[in-house]
Amino acid sequence: EAGVTQSPTHLIKTRGQQATLRCSPISGHTSVYWYQQALGLGLQFLLWYDEGEERNRGNFPPRFSGRQFPNYSSELNVNALELEDSALYLCASSLTVGSEAFFGQGTRLTVV
Amino acid sequence: AQTVTQSQPEMSVQEAETVTLSCTYDTSESDYYLFWYKQPPSRQMILVIRQEAYKQQNATENRFSVNFQKAAKSFSLKISDSQLGDAAMYFCARFVNGAGSYQLTFGKGTKLSVIP
Repeated sequence: EAGVTQSPTHLIKTRGQQATLRCSPISGHTSVYWYQQALGLGLQFLLWYDEGEERNRGNFPPRFSGRQFPNYSSELNVNALELEDSALYLCASSLTVGSEAFFGQGTRLTVV
Repeated sequence: AQTVTQSQPEMSVQEAETVTLSCTYDTSESDYYLFWYKQPPSRQMILVIRQEAYKQQNATENRFSVNFQKAAKSFSLKISDSQLGDAAMYFCARFVNGAGSYQLTFGKGTKLSVIP
């Protein structure tokens, strides 16, 4: 069974551009979580999607947005990139609320 | 804000010895779940152990066990017979099942080094 897959693995953008990160959950998982892992800051919760709807978002500005498609895959968009957006972005999926969240390998976003 | 706190940024343990990583959390909900995740240098987050708050029995997975003190809101991880492969960042996490708090919140992590 395929795990959570994220693409691309690495992404380099210039300040002010937009970045799109993609996540495919494990088959059958309807919940997708996005986290930002910046150096020294641990995992910061970004967004939670379940059954196609945004259920909760963390304390991030509106230029961080996303969506979940009918096949439960998800996309994270970051507009007007800033240097401090450079981080590892992790996606996770879970089968049900409170069950184990399985993580992807992450997308390393570098803003120059 | 409801938080998860790991007070030990770094820990080290001799191979084959036992180490305990600390975690405290804050929640006003009665229904929640607690997790320990491991992140080796490969960046892949791996679940180590899971505890349901309604269960009084401490979870155990092979060499990994927890000491869950619900009243104290404490959830420590004990690693027995430490192995070199246990070296990683360890994150404590809490999933809360309450209105407006549907999220998996992580602590800042503890970097564990295993000394041969």
